[in-house]
Amino acid sequence: EAQVTQNPRYLITVTGKKLTVTCSQNMNHEYMSWYRQDPGLGLRQIYYSMNVEVTDKGDVPEGYKVSRKEKRNFPLILESPSPNQTSLYFCASGREEAGGRYNEQFFGPGTRLTVL
Amino acid sequence: AQSVTQPDIHITVSEGASLELRCNYSYGATPYLFWYVQSPGQGLQLLLKYFSGDTLVQGIKGFEAEFKRSQSSFNLRKPSVHWSDAAEYFCAVNAGKSTFGDGTTLTVKP
Repeated sequence: EAQVTQNPRYLITVTGKKLTVTCSQNMNHEYMSWYRQDPGLGLRQIYYSMNVEVTDKGDVPEGYKVSRKEKRNFPLILESPSPNQTSLYFCASGREEAGGRYNEQFFGPGTRLTVL
Repeated sequence: AQSVTQPDIHITVSEGASLELRCNYSYGATPYLFWYVQSPGQGLQLLLKYFSGDTLVQGIKGFEAEFKRSQSSFNLRKPSVHWSDAAEYFCAVNAGKSTFGDGTTLTVKP
């Protein structure tokens, strides 16, 4: 089954304790992206990757790191989480089309993170 | 810089009534435009997309959207709303950097 998986689905942690949220897709998509969703703010892009070893900042990258060493995986790293990073996080992947544009995104189930 | 605006935060319609959700975008060229739906506690699902060609596109669940370049709009429509359509709807543009609108929450009255 074609899917994007995220782990963990729920995480409660404390300020400053490094954490990683994993994301994996099995559709051989070039494009992967991380978003955070907060009430009234829609989805805001954190980082995206157009291919292996290529990553770029979205609208809200501060406090986050990513890496794309393999095509299927795109982990999100919070080196020193703070309470304002409490949010619902979505990973997504998509296929590249001509002209540097990208087709629909397939979303993971989300990771609900609480930072105390 | 690209942007997406959904002017309506919340819309309430009666079951069986027609629906239109508005979306305005700003982008340097002809964008790839998308509408996604998110049911409570769920991830996002694609409703429909516009790349080029026919400006009226059909999607799943009876939804359609019309691309109007002159108005920089991509409004979502449905002729007759069902109670199961209650959800949050997002318009988006993706050119690598991906931008979503803030969403419109649809409530359906019986």
